[in-house]
Amino acid sequence: AQSVTQLDSQVPVFEEAPVELRCNYSSSVSVYLFWYVQYPNQGLQLLLKYLSGSTLVKGINGFEAEFNKSQTSFHLRKPSVHISDTAEYFCAVSALRGGADGLTFGKGTHLIIQP
Amino acid sequence: KAGVTQTPRYLIKTRGQQVTLSCSPISGHRSVSWYQQTPGQGLQFLFEYFSETQRNKGNFPGRFSGRQFSNSRSEMNVSTLELGDSALYLCASSLAGMSTEAFFGQGTRLTVV
Repeated sequence: AQSVTQLDSQVPVFEEAPVELRCNYSSSVSVYLFWYVQYPNQGLQLLLKYLSGSTLVKGINGFEAEFNKSQTSFHLRKPSVHISDTAEYFCAVSALRGGADGLTFGKGTHLIIQP
Repeated sequence: KAGVTQTPRYLIKTRGQQVTLSCSPISGHRSVSWYQQTPGQGLQFLFEYFSETQRNKGNFPGRFSGRQFSNSRSEMNVSTLELGDSALYLCASSLAGMSTEAFFGQGTRLTVV
């Protein structure tokens, strides 16, 4: 089984400031890692994913994340946020060989951009 | 190309009734997964279908069931509805499963009264 912990339920940031959303995971097997974004009344949109290779992953909308195996973390970063980045962000993992857990999500972090 | 389509977008049902939700995946995608999203429990995996076979299943009671048709469209059924079943139900389609990018629909908002 696997689990995901998003340490902050809410992160307020001023516009054009940098932001980091934290994600830690636990799993007894190797996993794939994902970040999704959800805008109000919408489904989830994939921001980026780590499957293998370089630990620094670049995604859409200027976001990037770094996989740290020793710390079992996959923090999401953006150097300069915009009002339009206001949304709920979810970190997720899935086991390399599938399994009963499917995609396991964290509880989400609400990113609030202040003008 | 068209995205993942879920119908209906909103539903109101009475306790004890049953409900069927529909999901049309992106053309060519063979994997369809279902998730329940609630404020208290967050996003929870229900099940995954691949080529008409249930490949994975989450920890939900037997009242929750699903199926996939030969055209990859999927339906999810919940019988004997309870108030706690009120949630946003999300469907995700992907080419081959969890390791490939999953595309989510806008969801069906189910309210049980």
